[in-house]
Amino acid sequence: GNSVTQMEGPVTLSEEAFLTINCTYTATGYPSLFWYVQYPGEGLQLLLKATKADDKGSNKGFEATYRKETTSFHLEKGSVQVSDSAVYFCALKDTGGGNKLTFGTGTQLKVEL
Amino acid sequence: KAGVTQTPRYLIKTRGQQVTLSCSPISGHRSVSWYQQTPGQGLQFLFEYFSETQRNKGNFPGRFSGRQFSNSRSEMNVSTLELGDSALYLCASEPSGAGRTGELFFGEGSRLTVL
Repeated sequence: GNSVTQMEGPVTLSEEAFLTINCTYTATGYPSLFWYVQYPGEGLQLLLKATKADDKGSNKGFEATYRKETTSFHLEKGSVQVSDSAVYFCALKDTGGGNKLTFGTGTQLKVEL
Repeated sequence: KAGVTQTPRYLIKTRGQQVTLSCSPISGHRSVSWYQQTPGQGLQFLFEYFSETQRNKGNFPGRFSGRQFSNSRSEMNVSTLELGDSALYLCASEPSGAGRTGELFFGEGSRLTVL
């Protein structure tokens, strides 16, 4: 079955540091890939997505590139802010229809001044 | 446009009881899915409904059930509650047809505590 593996947290960074959160996946076919973010006390919000190989999703300074050859979708941001502190989830949706998402375990990010 | 609304936000039950959670999707969204979020298991898919029909189901016991109404509102029910059912239950909706982008819109969740 499908699975998503992302790096363990928590990750603690200083403001303006570079962020990478690794995500790899196992799936048949060509799934769509997503990064969702969960701020404290809130539901999940879509951060960015990519639907085919070599697509780059980007939003709010965050980027991730769909790498079919390495089955990866790593999240990056060049300069994090305190307001980026949240839990980040990598997820995939397979091509079989429906809207079932398979999530990674989540990576908590804490950004300090 | 109102977001996905889940009620109640918080509830406490005891073992053996049952609980019903409600979800109102964004207006015009016909697809609703449910997820269970726990510290140990993370986010796990429960089920998905589209036009009042269950389209997909996760690996949960039969104590977990759901339904969708003609106005797209959805409910999920957990019977004979166990301590391990304590979790945040998230509902998500998705646009249908031409408006579909693959993005799910999540509610803030219903936090269930089983004592």
